[in-house]
Amino acid sequence: GQQLNQSPQSMFIQEGEDVSMNCTSSSIFNTWLWYKQDPGEGPVLLIALYKAGELTSNGRLTAQFGITRKDSFLNISASIPSDVGIYFCAGQPWTGANNLFFGTGTRLTVIP
Amino acid sequence: DSGVTQTPKHLITATGQRVTLRCSPRSGDLSVYWYQQSLDQGLQFLIQYYNGEERAKGNILERFSAQQFPDLHSELNLSSLELGDSALYFCASSVAGAFGGELFFGEGSRLTVL
Repeated sequence: GQQLNQSPQSMFIQEGEDVSMNCTSSSIFNTWLWYKQDPGEGPVLLIALYKAGELTSNGRLTAQFGITRKDSFLNISASIPSDVGIYFCAGQPWTGANNLFFGTGTRLTVIP
Repeated sequence: DSGVTQTPKHLITATGQRVTLRCSPRSGDLSVYWYQQSLDQGLQFLIQYYNGEERAKGNILERFSAQQFPDLHSELNLSSLELGDSALYFCASSVAGAFGGELFFGEGSRLTVL
């Protein structure tokens, strides 16, 4: 299946700092999504992007769908302890595709 | 709470055995997806069912099978288990047959094969 490369693999930041992570692919995706997984839980959707170049915010989170359709990034501003978790990017390869391909995740640790 | 229910939450078994994982989708959702998450890995898509019929297949081993019943719950059957099958298995559901934007995930079933 398609490979989504997510970076960085892990981050340790101080509370209040901004965070940036990205996801790249060798092939085009039609939809990009960002999920967060808390320990012992299933992933929860944070932001969905449907159009190349689209920039979407959800509170302190901002994500962009890359213009080449091969990448996306997620920014978290003014991090707080509850931002801790694993962030996954996911992509739908074409309209009507019945599955998502997930990246390997970025593990975020916020130091109070 | 996503509304997707998975049982059991934890399962420990031996190599060569067979287990069944169960998933109840959100009320009204017709599609069920199964994903496998190994340690420090992303989620690998296994299979999707829509309204009782298999719709898409991913990296699912031949030793694994799934089905969706008339009441829309789904079961993932894992047989001839190997150590490498130890993982978190997630079920997700959505309303439509074709993915349209959001999957709702259950809390997962953690399988340990000894």
